[in-house]
Amino acid sequence: DADVTQTPRNRITKTGKRIMLECSQTKGHDRMYWYRQDPGLGLRLIYYSFDVKDINKGEISDGYSVSRQAQAKFSLSLESAIPNQTALYFCATGGDRLNNEQFFGPGTRLTVL
Amino acid sequence: GQNIDQPTEMTATEGAIVQINCTYQTSGFNGLFWYQQHAGEAPTFLSYNVLDGLEEKGRFSSFLSRSKGYSYLLLKELQMKDSASYLCAVSADSNYQLIWGAGTKLIIKP
Repeated sequence: DADVTQTPRNRITKTGKRIMLECSQTKGHDRMYWYRQDPGLGLRLIYYSFDVKDINKGEISDGYSVSRQAQAKFSLSLESAIPNQTALYFCATGGDRLNNEQFFGPGTRLTVL
Repeated sequence: GQNIDQPTEMTATEGAIVQINCTYQTSGFNGLFWYQQHAGEAPTFLSYNVLDGLEEKGRFSSFLSRSKGYSYLLLKELQMKDSASYLCAVSADSNYQLIWGAGTKLIIKP
């Protein structure tokens, strides 16, 4: 079984709809991240969480919100989706002082029409 | 500001050697990562450098010079499956968050 899973893997929605992307991990990491990836721009950090009670904004948090329901679960919401949020979204875990490496989920391809 | 630069695209021939460069300007430095990403898939870890010098791992090697803010990824005996994007990332602050380059798309030709 995959260590980091994301659901859904693909989603097509309309402008104005509320969307939730979910991430689960079995690696036991405290730190979790949400990134978006657009062609030519690399990975950009949306939100990150260092433990269940900790939520931090990243580089591009406007239009997004997150929830850390448990150590293993970190959800990303788009309250009112807009077309320029069409992108590939990745959840990642890890990346602390003892283990710098981040482990990525398979990604969610979101299209907002 | 924080900045990571790498070439947008490179082309190489199957069986050859290619070097992908990465330069960085960051406020701090805890280490530099290289990840491989096939189109539409998740990035996967290739290497981590925290000290100057060359780290070799099979066909892949990664070099770091902290004084020059420079790293490269060296791929030997290129195979068609090496066609992918290669992402350079720097851990630059006390929280060990990563700053990502835009990636280098490597195209391998027969």
